[in-house]
Amino acid sequence: EVQLVESGGGLVEPGRSLRLSCTASGFTFGDYAMTWVRQAPGKGLEWVGFIRDTVGGATTEYAASVKGRFTISRDDSQNIAYLQMNSLKIEDTAVYYCSRAPPWELPDWWGQGTLVTVSS
Amino acid sequence: DVVMTQSPLSLPVTLGQPASISCRSSQSLVYSDGNTYLSWYQQRPGQSPRRLIYRVSNRDSGVPDRFSGSGSGTDFTLKISRVEAEDVGVYYCMQGTHSWTFGQGTKVEIK
Repeated sequence: EVQLVESGGGLVEPGRSLRLSCTASGFTFGDYAMTWVRQAPGKGLEWVGFIRDTVGGATTEYAASVKGRFTISRDDSQNIAYLQMNSLKIEDTAVYYCSRAPPWELPDWWGQGTLVTVSS
Repeated sequence: DVVMTQSPLSLPVTLGQPASISCRSSQSLVYSDGNTYLSWYQQRPGQSPRRLIYRVSNRDSGVPDRFSGSGSGTDFTLKISRVEAEDVGVYYCMQGTHSWTFGQGTKVEIK
């Protein structure tokens, strides 16, 4: 069974950093792009970014709202995707979902999410 | 950036009746490979999103056949032929042709 488990969320002060992890199981991790999507409290879904699969060169793309502050990486030997978040802002407060995307497709499986709260 | 506009934003429906959600993009979603990367997601209260439809009209495994997707170019529709109680939630369209973008979401509730 496909499983995606996010971890690393919590309370952090504005300007600080946080790293989220997404541990995958139940599928061949290296064959999929891994993506991050966030949802602010009571709001809709916002795409954050993705890292392509190995064949795609593991290159990354980011939403304009996080570009230059957030970095996505992956460790195919451990089946983990990461979201490094730097210079956090109050408006980054959200539930962060990890999801997988088949080659050339949009996400087809999602984790349960982890809450990040940016507050002083 | 491509803007995805859904309507309506709120959709009260009667059990057993059909429902329809529109999603319009600010640019054509036809990619250079000829495919249109438009998906629909369901998010039930308190749950993670679930993909229902990919590439406009392809239903994901396990999705009831009362859900269907259609459209082309810039205009797309998700239809529920007969709404059931378990269909309550927020529905999002998402495009993957020009980077990735979600629509604002449409809240489906029972009258």
